[in-house]
Amino acid sequence: DGGITQSPKYLFRKEGQNVTLSCEQNLNHDAMYWYRQDPGQGLRLIYYSQIVNDFQKGDIAEGYSVSREKKESFPLTVTSAQKNPTAFYLCASREYGYTFGSGTRLTVV
Amino acid sequence: DQQVKQNSPSLSVQEGRISILNCDYTNSMFDYFLWYKKYPAEGPTFLISISSIKDKNEDGRFTVFLNKSAKHLSLHIVPSQPGDSAVYFCAASPAGGTSYGKLTFGQGTILTVHP
Repeated sequence: DGGITQSPKYLFRKEGQNVTLSCEQNLNHDAMYWYRQDPGQGLRLIYYSQIVNDFQKGDIAEGYSVSREKKESFPLTVTSAQKNPTAFYLCASREYGYTFGSGTRLTVV
Repeated sequence: DQQVKQNSPSLSVQEGRISILNCDYTNSMFDYFLWYKKYPAEGPTFLISISSIKDKNEDGRFTVFLNKSAKHLSLHIVPSQPGDSAVYFCAASPAGGTSYGKLTFGQGTILTVHP
């Protein structure tokens, strides 16, 4: 079955620590995206990548970093510089339409 | 600057009646619009879309209407079913250029369909 896998589903980290969220797709899509969902704010774009070894900042990139070394993988690192990291993070890939992963709930304590 | 707005945080309807979810946008470069449905702790799933060259698109119980002059679109669900209860997101995308494929989402509307 083709799809997007985000892991883990739930993640807890101490304040000040960096954490990396995994996103893997086997759909052979070139474009991949990271969104953040907060209550009452919809989905906001963090970073996106149109092709391997290339990525652009989205609307709320501060405090985040990404890499795109392989077509299948687009990991997101939430750094200690991100002031409000607790959120639900969604990864997506696109060919003609978007396919979303099931998300990772990050809680910083 | 919220370029896509869903001004109703929630909507409650009776099973069998019509649900109407609304969405407004401000960016004239948007020309492709989508609706997604989302359950808690899951990713959004695509429902229906519409291109700016059309004013209506229908798929089963779901119809999306686009009013370009008013920069407004709406999703009609008829008849509504309890399984339709979820968060509905409106999203918009520009036609091309470096922003091609980037989706801008509204805040979402929580739909509750009562049996």
